Amino acid sequence: DAGVIQSPRHEVTEMGQEVTLRCKPISGHNSLFWYRQTMMRGLELLIYFNNNVPIDDSGMPEDRFSAKMPNASFSTLKIQPSEPRDSAVYFCASSPLQVQPQHFGDGTRLSIL
Amino acid sequence: DAKTTQPTSMDCAEGRAANLPCNHSTISGNEYVYWYRQIHSQGPQYIIHGLKNNETNEMASLIITEDRKSSTLILPHATLRDTAVYYCIVLSNFGNEKLTFGTGTRLTIIP
Repeated sequence: DAGVIQSPRHEVTEMGQEVTLRCKPISGHNSLFWYRQTMMRGLELLIYFNNNVPIDDSGMPEDRFSAKMPNASFSTLKIQPSEPRDSAVYFCASSPLQVQPQHFGDGTRLSIL
Repeated sequence: DAKTTQPTSMDCAEGRAANLPCNHSTISGNEYVYWYRQIHSQGPQYIIHGLKNNETNEMASLIITEDRKSSTLILPHATLRDTAVYYCIVLSNFGNEKLTFGTGTRLTIIP
């Protein structure tokens, strides 16, 4: 069984550029989560979706961040414009609807110069 | 407002059982104990969870005290690949509740 697939694995870009991170959840999972991990703040939940609908985006740091889930098999996290403080590892996770546990992808390591 | 407390780090000899403790004295009746781990450069990985009975799967065993205020994750025969940060998390079994990862226990398996 394929796990949660994230792309790209690594992204390096200059500040001000738009960044798009992609996630394919496990087939049949109806809940999708975006997390960010930094040394200073650890692992933080940014937003999550149930059945493609955003449920809680209180963790999204600023309006520069947006997330979409156009269908059950794909989600994006976009940062526009990007800033150096956005540098982190971004994880996507999925789970069956309303049920734990969550299954994580291997993350996207983002560096904003 | 941490729901769990874990030691910052632990070492264990390869081949031995690794016993990772977790205190969760304020756990409520409908909350489960979940364990995840994060190996370097990978995403967190679910290990096991339990409510009040001891649990075992192919990865580990979970021992929960009768008063449910603490638990121990046991890796029966630790290998070098078990070196990771281990997180103990308390939450209800409904997906809407946020997974809150604390600082966890950094387990190092010594050859």
